[in-house]
Parts: sequence; C-alpha cells; structure tokens
Amino acid sequence: DTGVSQNPRHKITKRGQNVTFRCDPISEHNRLYWYRQTLGQGPEFLTYFQNEAQLEKSRLLSDRFSAERPKGSFSTLEIQRTEQGDSAMYLCASSLFPGQYSSYEQYFGPGTRLTVT
Amino acid sequence: QQQVKQSPQSLIVQKGGISIINCAYENTAFDYFPWYQQFPGKGPALLIAIRPDVSEKKEGRFTISFNKSAKQFSLHIMDSQPGDSATYFCAASISGGGADGLTFGKGTHLIIQP
Repeated sequence: DTGVSQNPRHKITKRGQNVTFRCDPISEHNRLYWYRQTLGQGPEFLTYFQNEAQLEKSRLLSDRFSAERPKGSFSTLEIQRTEQGDSAMYLCASSLFPGQYSSYEQYFGPGTRLTVT
Repeated sequence: QQQVKQSPQSLIVQKGGISIINCAYENTAFDYFPWYQQFPGKGPALLIAIRPDVSEKKEGRFTISFNKSAKQFSLHIMDSQPGDSATYFCAASISGGGADGLTFGKGTHLIIQP
C-alpha cells in the first residue's frame, strides 16, 4: 500500500533560483491538490487537478508558480525566481472523485520543505 | 478572512484525560469537516471526518461533535495518551474540496503529560 510521495523532502535554494517539486499521488486517485504550510499555520490551498486538468487556482498562486499534471498521474510544482517569502512546506494531497462520501477524503504526502536563503 | 477558527492554540492534558478541541466556521456552504493530526516534519494524517447530516461520529478514542445551527464542531480524544501529542487541525470544504480545497484552522498543539 503506497501513499502519496513527494520529492525532494528538503530543498535549500538561493533567492532568485528556480525550483521544482514532484508529487506522486495514490495510484487510483484522480484528484491531486497542492497546499503550502508555513510554520505555526494550517495548510493553505494552492491549486488542484482532476486528471490532467487544472481546475482551480488560489489567489496565493502568483505568476511565479506553475503546476502541471501532464498525464493525469504525477504532478510538478515549479517556483520561478524564488523569494524568501516562498520558504514553507509544500504539501501534496490526493483523493478519488466523484463517488461516495469517502471520496471527499484527502490523503497528504510528507511534504517538501523549501528554504530560500 | 479566516473561515475556520480553531481553539485553543495549545492544550496540555494529563494521560488518561479527555482532550477537547473546538472549531467554528462561517461559510454555510461547507459540507465536509475533517480533522487531521500532524507530527513534526510530517504531512497531515486524516483522523476522522463528518458530514452535516449527523451530529456525532465516533472512531475508537476519537469523536467529532457537530452543531450545524451554531456552525461549530469539536474533536474529543478520550483516554489521551502521550503518543497523541501532536498538532491537530480542523478543516472544512465544499463538496470534498473541489472548489477551493480544504480550508484549515490554525492548529492546536496538544501535549499529553505522562
């Protein structure tokens, strides 16, 4: 039984550099979500995909952020020209939709901790 | 605008006691209310969830109580154990999170003293 996996687990980068994170959802799940969590706060929604279509983006997702899910399986989140304010834990979650009540359940990966110096 | 307000921010409970964490929401369109547990350096893990058509749901030592008219819900951890020491988040969503994902509270740092 494999859960949601994320790579890398930690990333340290210098301000102005580009970074890319990868998320592999639970294999049968068709929905994939990205969240950002800063220290002492709850996760904040960034964007989500249903299969390969990106259906919603939060106002938090500035133009420097882009997410893809090209074949409806894994997803990547890229941040261009990183800023110190981008330092956070980036979390991925997946779910199976539509269907029964249990389809609302989102399962999170371990996250990628980004530090921008 | 904080749509889900969680309290207390931190909580210390003796081993064997009952831990109670409360959340209040504003958006009446929310129809799914999960609780997550998070350990340091880990992603949130789903504990238990409830829909507004029931007032209580119990799974093992964890119980959600839901009050639709007051727009409040709470998590009760019975017989609290040191291993329950973690940060707990309440959350809410519309139709499973399709529109705006899950909206989380700010979290409660729970410490169970042995």
